[in-house]
Amino acid sequence: AQSVTQPDIHITVSEGASLELRCNYSYGATPYLFWYVQSPGQGLQLLLKYFSGDTLVQGIKGFEAEFKRSQSSFNLRKPSVHWSDAAEYFCAASGYDYKLSFGAGTTVTVRA
Amino acid sequence: DGGITQSPKYLFRKEGQNVTLSCEQNLNHDAMYWYRQDPGQGLRLIYYSQIVNDFQKGDIAEGYSVSREKKESFPLTVTSAQKNPTAFYLCASRPSGGETQYFGPGTRLLVL
Repeated sequence: AQSVTQPDIHITVSEGASLELRCNYSYGATPYLFWYVQSPGQGLQLLLKYFSGDTLVQGIKGFEAEFKRSQSSFNLRKPSVHWSDAAEYFCAASGYDYKLSFGAGTTVTVRA
Repeated sequence: DGGITQSPKYLFRKEGQNVTLSCEQNLNHDAMYWYRQDPGQGLRLIYYSQIVNDFQKGDIAEGYSVSREKKESFPLTVTSAQKNPTAFYLCASRPSGGETQYFGPGTRLLVL
């Protein structure tokens, strides 16, 4: 069955420190991969996406993600977090049917 | 200003009542989706529509119904058969030939 796993439910990071959020997928073939961010009570905003090509993709708000086929992973990173990065982050994947499967999400808390 | 609108922002349902959540997009997207979000569970697909006058069940369609009479509109009805309707409902759309879904701001449904 197709699935997306985010192993970390909650991460706390200091402002200015680096952040890495993990995502693993289980699909028959390499899926389309996405990271979305959600502020409390809001919809989802697309941070970045990977379809093919360069395995390091750049997104908005200074985020990047690296696709590793051998590890079935698509981890999200940011070199220096800002207090405004506190939110919930979702990894998602889809096949050629474009139906998204979501991970359970990782909540990021930023401490001063 | 193009985008996806969902109304109302908050909706209250009495026991045994059907309620309808609105989703409208002016992006000229062909495909539209409804998701349910519960804490700690990510997003789960309720229904989706690839084209006007056609829609398919997602993973958790029981107790819900939809219609797609116009390209820009995809209303979701939560029926009395849905025994646990309290959740955050998100609508999304995707352009034809595109892989990315874009989300609306969501509707929170509460049971009185």
